[in-house]
Amino acid sequence: DAMVIQNPRYQVTQFGKPVTLSCSQTLNHNVMYWYQQKSSQAPKLLFHYYDKDFNNEADTPDNFQSRRPNTSFCFLDIRSPGLGDAAMYLCATMGWRSGGAYTGELFFGEGSRLTVL
Amino acid sequence: AQSVTQLGSHVSVSEGALVLLRCNYSSSVPPYLFWYVQYPNQGLQLLLKYTTGATLVKGINGFEAEFKKSETSFHLTKPSAHMSDAAEYFCAVSEGGKSTFGDGTTLTVKP
Repeated sequence: DAMVIQNPRYQVTQFGKPVTLSCSQTLNHNVMYWYQQKSSQAPKLLFHYYDKDFNNEADTPDNFQSRRPNTSFCFLDIRSPGLGDAAMYLCATMGWRSGGAYTGELFFGEGSRLTVL
Repeated sequence: AQSVTQLGSHVSVSEGALVLLRCNYSSSVPPYLFWYVQYPNQGLQLLLKYTTGATLVKGINGFEAEFKKSETSFHLTKPSAHMSDAAEYFCAVSEGGKSTFGDGTTLTVKP
């Protein structure tokens, strides 16, 4: 089945130690998103890629970076994790319908839960 | 600008009772509306969506929602709750590839 796969599912790191989370998709969608979700809150968009075009949200801290080497893969790098960065990180994709419009439907991975000690 | 308001952060129902989760939206263009469900330590999963056409949409697990333009609402219902419906539910509006989520409603189902 086509899907969005995130690794690792659970990541424990120490304060200030860099972390990389990965996301791969077999849907061939051209848009990929990274969301941060804290307990009992809505997902918060960090950034997204339309193909290789990177779009950062205005309030995303510089501590968060992203790479998309090809259509299938996207990475989230947290350069110096703080205690406040402990959260679930969700990768999602969106397709493009014929005629030139976003479908609007997000396909999510299972998430990567980050713990910062 | 678009926004979503979910009325009631927590809803509790008895097994077999009607489930009603409320969602109101604002959008500058005809909206694409979605309900997603999230189980603990998992990603969000699409329950149902409205883009165009019939205003009453049916989704997975017996859920349905009705788009009411005059009320700017997209409430989620299920006639008979099951224990497995206990989860977090998010209403979302999408425009130009950007999705805006409500704050979520936690559904508890009592035996």
